[in-house]
Amino acid sequence: EAGVTQFPSHSVIEKGQTVTLRCDPISGHDNLYWYRRVMGKEIKFLLHFVKESKQDESGMPNNRFLAERTGGTYSTLKVQPAELEDSGVYFCASSQDGVVAETLETQYFGPGTRLLVL
Amino acid sequence: AQKVTQAQTEISVVEKEDVTLDCVYETRDTTYYLFWYKQPPSGELVFLIRRNSFDEQNEISGRYSWNFQKSTSSFNFTITASQVVDSAVYFCALSGPSPYKLSFGAGTTVTVRA
Repeated sequence: EAGVTQFPSHSVIEKGQTVTLRCDPISGHDNLYWYRRVMGKEIKFLLHFVKESKQDESGMPNNRFLAERTGGTYSTLKVQPAELEDSGVYFCASSQDGVVAETLETQYFGPGTRLLVL
Repeated sequence: AQKVTQAQTEISVVEKEDVTLDCVYETRDTTYYLFWYKQPPSGELVFLIRRNSFDEQNEISGRYSWNFQKSTSSFNFTITASQVVDSAVYFCALSGPSPYKLSFGAGTTVTVRA
């Protein structure tokens, strides 16, 4: 079974440009999460999708960030316009939503996208 | 609010030594979940273990063991007979009941020298 995949693995852009990150969750996982780790800081929650609906977007830092999950499959996270403080590693995770307790809500992470804004 | 504290920033050991990583958490939820993730140099976060708040049994998986103590709000992780491949950043994380977003500790960097 394929794990969570993220694209691109690295992105270097200039301040003011737009960047779109993509996450493909594990097949069959209804829950999809975005997290990020900025330099020297802890990994922080950004938002949570259940299928195509935003369940919790309390961690989104500001309106320059837009996340979508069309059709409840892959998700994109767009940063427009990017600022220097947006640099960091963006992680995506997915989890099942079912009745099997041992697998319920364990989040499996992708390799992350390393974003550098110059 | 939920908080996870990993007081150890870096730990360096020689191969075959045991290493224990501390994790202390704070939560007001009566039901919660604790996790450990490993981040090797390649960068991905690898799931190691999940513990439910109502299950205080300690667990052993090969050279890894976990000690969950609700009385001290701790969920410590021990690597026995460490190996160079154990070198990584280890994160402790906590989630409450739905919506299950994770709160992470700052991570502990473990370096195992040959």
